[in-house]
Amino acid sequence: DAKTTQPTSMDCAEGRAANLPCNHSTISGNEYVYWYRQIHSQGPQYIIHGLKNNETNEMASLIITEDRKSSTLILPHATLRDTAVYYCIVRNSGNTPLVFGKGTRLSVIA
Amino acid sequence: KAGVTQTPRYLIKTRGQQVTLSCSPISGHRSVSWYQQTPGQGLQFLFEYFSETQRNKGNFPGRFSGRQFSNSRSEMNVSTLELGDSALYLCASQTGTRDNEQFFGPGTRLTVL
Repeated sequence: DAKTTQPTSMDCAEGRAANLPCNHSTISGNEYVYWYRQIHSQGPQYIIHGLKNNETNEMASLIITEDRKSSTLILPHATLRDTAVYYCIVRNSGNTPLVFGKGTRLSVIA
Repeated sequence: KAGVTQTPRYLIKTRGQQVTLSCSPISGHRSVSWYQQTPGQGLQFLFEYFSETQRNKGNFPGRFSGRQFSNSRSEMNVSTLELGDSALYLCASQTGTRDNEQFFGPGTRLTVL
């Protein structure tokens, strides 16, 4: 079973920041937080991952709380192409499978 | 670098038949994982191969099997197809070392009639 809880759906206005929350209250010390997204009928796309510190790349920022029990994925300037299902996944190493929950369906609205 | 490729992209089979799906990972990646995606069950892990050996296995019946070749290309086979096997089958590759992301292919859409 997935070890994360995410809202079922969210809306975001185009050009605004999209903040997607994820709860992972049972995360253990050696587990990473990964984010993937899946645009309709395509394979999931890796976005970002982190362990303790906040991370940023060209796609998004990942903010992990100090107790590591929750995190937020931030898309700084959402576009219509960011409309997708976003999955937050807890994973203890690169050698373990990804366990997908139901994710958050983000709709970016013009 | 070329991405993960999967063939065929679409497939229609009838109940009782068997099917083989193919996945070519990103060059240099030694690990290939397979996932099944259905509307009811979502994305579920099938198995992972690393250096031609199955390293992880999900909770699927023995009708689902796979293998990996020395060039890291992988195939999965489903025997005695059932209607419920209709799904998007996704392949993902990664380098195989710790703390690294999986890159997914576009998937094979299997329809069982």
